[in-house]
Amino acid sequence: GAGVSQSPRYKVAKRGQDVALRCDPISGHVSLFWYQQALGQGPEFLTYFQNEAQLDKSGLPSDRFFAERPEGSVSTLKIQRTQQEDSAVYLCASSLIVLRDGLRVNEQFFGPGTRLTVL
Amino acid sequence: KQEVTQIPAALSVPEGENLVLNCSFTDSAIYNLQWFRQDPGKGLTSLLLIQSSQREQTSGRLNASLDKSSGRSTLYIAASQPGDSATYLCAVNPRLYGGTSYGKLTFGQGTILTVHP
Repeated sequence: GAGVSQSPRYKVAKRGQDVALRCDPISGHVSLFWYQQALGQGPEFLTYFQNEAQLDKSGLPSDRFFAERPEGSVSTLKIQRTQQEDSAVYLCASSLIVLRDGLRVNEQFFGPGTRLTVL
Repeated sequence: KQEVTQIPAALSVPEGENLVLNCSFTDSAIYNLQWFRQDPGKGLTSLLLIQSSQREQTSGRLNASLDKSSGRSTLYIAASQPGDSATYLCAVNPRLYGGTSYGKLTFGQGTILTVHP
């Protein structure tokens, strides 16, 4: 399909394990975002890439969280030494700036998310 | 810091009703506002995007309005159907210094909508 894909869809980890979550954005989309969504809450921003450059990582909750996008396409979010409070759905989104009605629009398209459960 | 609030948190209506979902935000310096739909176990689907210079956007039975000065947006759903049952999320895209934006969205907590036959 032509949408954003994420893998795995579900991940169960024991506390202390490292995990890696993958995002395949829509082809040609320059911008890529990671969000964290806790149960019953709205998504919260984690980090932003423009091509391979990580321009904003202000939302990463601790230094255990690390994201990369080495070739400006696929991105990986890595969480080291997982804790129970890391349990959430991790959403990836990509966007492309287009002109609509004479305005620059950067509409984001989201993947299905990875549900991480830390036991 | 931008804060986004959605009211009500949950709404249950019979099929056919017209309904309004509310979103308020504290910082009016926004680039645009998006309404999303989220079905259980799935990602977000964009419904409508309103630029800061626009007052409303329409798509089928959906109409979204924006009053930037008062920090409010509403999503109007006409003639609701059971298939409209989902969580609806409002997200604000901030306007940065220089008038640009790269899309760092701040979300509300969502309104859980149930439309029963």
